[in-house]
Amino acid sequence: QSALTQPASVSGSPGQSITISCTGTSSDVGTYDLVSWYQHHPGKAPKLIIYEDTKRPSGVSNRFSGSKSGNTASLTISGLQAEDEADYYCCSYAGNRHWVFGGGTRLTVL
Amino acid sequence: HLQLQESGPGLVKSSETLSLTCTVSGGSISSTNYYWAWIRQPPGKGLEWIGSIYYSGSAYYNTSLKSRVTISVDTSKNQFSLNLSSVTAADTAVYFCARHIIPVRSGFDYWGQGTLVSVSS
Repeated sequence: QSALTQPASVSGSPGQSITISCTGTSSDVGTYDLVSWYQHHPGKAPKLIIYEDTKRPSGVSNRFSGSKSGNTASLTISGLQAEDEADYYCCSYAGNRHWVFGGGTRLTVL
Repeated sequence: HLQLQESGPGLVKSSETLSLTCTVSGGSISSTNYYWAWIRQPPGKGLEWIGSIYYSGSAYYNTSLKSRVTISVDTSKNQFSLNLSSVTAADTAVYFCARHIIPVRSGFDYWGQGTLVSVSS
C-alpha cells in the first residue's frame, strides 16, 4: 500500500475557509467510506476530527467537515482560527486489515 | 477519560530490537470490540501504521514490517507492547500508540503523545 497524497502546506487568514485534499487509489479511498482525519499539534497527541469520510466525533467543532469524490477525500475548515494551526493527516482503510496514512499537511493561519 | 502513554528507550543500536510499551489508563484494554495500534512518524515524513492487536492477542501487521514486528498485550497491566527487530536508521521515528474506533476499520480515536526512538549505528 502506498501513502495517500496530501499537499505539504496550506495557509489561510482568520475567518477564511481552507480545504486539504487527500488522494488515494481505487484500492483504498475510492473503495471504502473509511477516510479519517487527524489534527496534530507537534508534541501532543493527534486528535481525531473526522471519521468515515464525513462524520464528526462528539466535541469536534462543526467548522471541520469532510467530503469525498472518487479517489480524493477533502477536509474543509471554515472560520479559520489561530488554534487551527497544526498538521493534518488523512487515513484510509486499505482492505485486508491495513490502514494507510497521508504525508501530512501543515496549516498556517496567517 | 481514556489516556495512552508510550514508554521505552529513546535510543536503540542498529541491528538490535526496539521495544516500547503503551500503558492505557481511564479504561480497560480488555473492553469488547476495541483494538489497539502502533503508528509511527519518521522525521519530516507522514504517519505509518505498524500493526494492531485485540486483547485476546489476535494481531495483524503492516505487510512491509511484518517480518520484524511483534505486538503483544498484557491485560493484567492494561498494557500492550511493540517489538521491532533488526532496526536500522530508517526506523528512527516518533512512535505512537492508539485505540481503534468501533468498528475497527474506521480509524483511531485516542492516541498517546508519542515517543521518539532514535537508532544509532
